Amino acid sequence: EADIYQTPRYLVIGTGKKITLECSQTMGHDKMYWYQQDPGMELHLIHYSYGVNSTEKGDLSSESTVSRIRTEHFPLTLESARPSHTSQYLCASSEYQTSGGADEQFFGPGTRLTVL
Amino acid sequence: AQSVTQLDSQVPVFEEAPVELRCNYSSSVSVYLFWYVQYPNQGLQLLLKYLSGSTLVKGINGFEAEFNKSQTSFHLRKPSVHISDTAEYFCAAQSINTDKLIFGTGTRLQVFP
Repeated sequence: EADIYQTPRYLVIGTGKKITLECSQTMGHDKMYWYQQDPGMELHLIHYSYGVNSTEKGDLSSESTVSRIRTEHFPLTLESARPSHTSQYLCASSEYQTSGGADEQFFGPGTRLTVL
Repeated sequence: AQSVTQLDSQVPVFEEAPVELRCNYSSSVSVYLFWYVQYPNQGLQLLLKYLSGSTLVKGINGFEAEFNKSQTSFHLRKPSVHISDTAEYFCAAQSINTDKLIFGTGTRLQVFP
């Protein structure tokens, strides 16, 4: 069954640690996204990718980095975690649309990160 | 879309009552509109979408929404809610000249027995 996966689902870690949040999708989608979600706030786009070797920064500035070496895999890395990084991180994917097409995104279950 | 506003942060309602979750957007061009639902500890799931055509859109779980261009609204409705509808609901918009989704801040629907 085509799906989108995120691991870990929950992570509690100390300040200064390096972490990688994993995201994989089996739908063959070219486009992938990372959002940051805080309670009572809208989802903020922090990174996206149009395909292999393509990465772009989103609307919300983030100290994280991403890579896209394989179509199905879009990991997010924080080199040195801080308490301000505590949040929920959602990964999503969609088919590439030509100009003017609707971008229906499919979401993973999220990773809830707590940095102490 | 330049912004999406969900006017109600929380909507409490009794089971089997009707509900309306409000969403307004602003955009200088035509938009695509979406409603997503997020159950506790899960990701977002698409409820329904408006791309073009009929302004009344039916989605999963008995939800529907009506696109009103003159009022720039896309309110979500359900005639009779269940306990299982308790969740966070997000409205989102995409201008036809971009591929970026703009989300509202969400509305928490709490259904009481």
